[in-house]
Amino acid sequence: AQSVTQLDSQVPVFEEAPVELRCNYSSSVSVYLFWYVQYPNQGLQLLLKYLSGSTLVESINGFEAEFNKSQTSFHLRKPSVHISDTAEYFCAVSFSGGYNKLIFGAGTRLAVHP
Amino acid sequence: EAGVAQSPRYKIIEKRQSVAFWCNPISGHATLYWYQQILGQGPKLLIQFQNNGVVDDSQLPKDRFSAERLKGVDSTLKIQPAKLEDSAVYLCASSPGVLAGYFTGELFFGEGSRLTVL
Repeated sequence: AQSVTQLDSQVPVFEEAPVELRCNYSSSVSVYLFWYVQYPNQGLQLLLKYLSGSTLVESINGFEAEFNKSQTSFHLRKPSVHISDTAEYFCAVSFSGGYNKLIFGAGTRLAVHP
Repeated sequence: EAGVAQSPRYKIIEKRQSVAFWCNPISGHATLYWYQQILGQGPKLLIQFQNNGVVDDSQLPKDRFSAERLKGVDSTLKIQPAKLEDSAVYLCASSPGVLAGYFTGELFFGEGSRLTVL
């Protein structure tokens, strides 16, 4: 069965500290990988994605994620977080073929403290 | 460009009553999704439309949930009768398309409709 797992439901961190949010998937076919973010009282929005090419992808606000096929992972990292990064982060996977159904993980709540 | 519009934003009903949610996707987007997000969980896909045809409704509880997308634009999701476990945020999203050559993986979400069933 195809699935996506976010290993941490909550991650507290102090401002300017590094952070890693973990995501693993299970699939027997090729995948596309995404991180979506939901800021308080806002809708979900795409943070970054891997479709093909370089396995390291970056967002405009300093986050990066690396597709690791052998470990079936797509962990999200940022070297120095800000208060404004406080949000819920969702890893999502689409399995190639057909209509590219998008499946979301349970989410990780990142709480950045001063 | 206008985003995905949803209404109502909030709805409180008694169990066994019915409710309907409306979604207007971004103009020109061929694919429309309805997701259910229960508190503390990730969004779960209920139904996916490609234009006005259903391409995936495998997780839609068809004994009580129904959805339609008339003319390939607006969509309505209905629950009848509602149960306590239907309390959730119902998210509508759209994307330009999912077929080869169109897929970008970016879904554009509305702000959601929060349903409370008492």
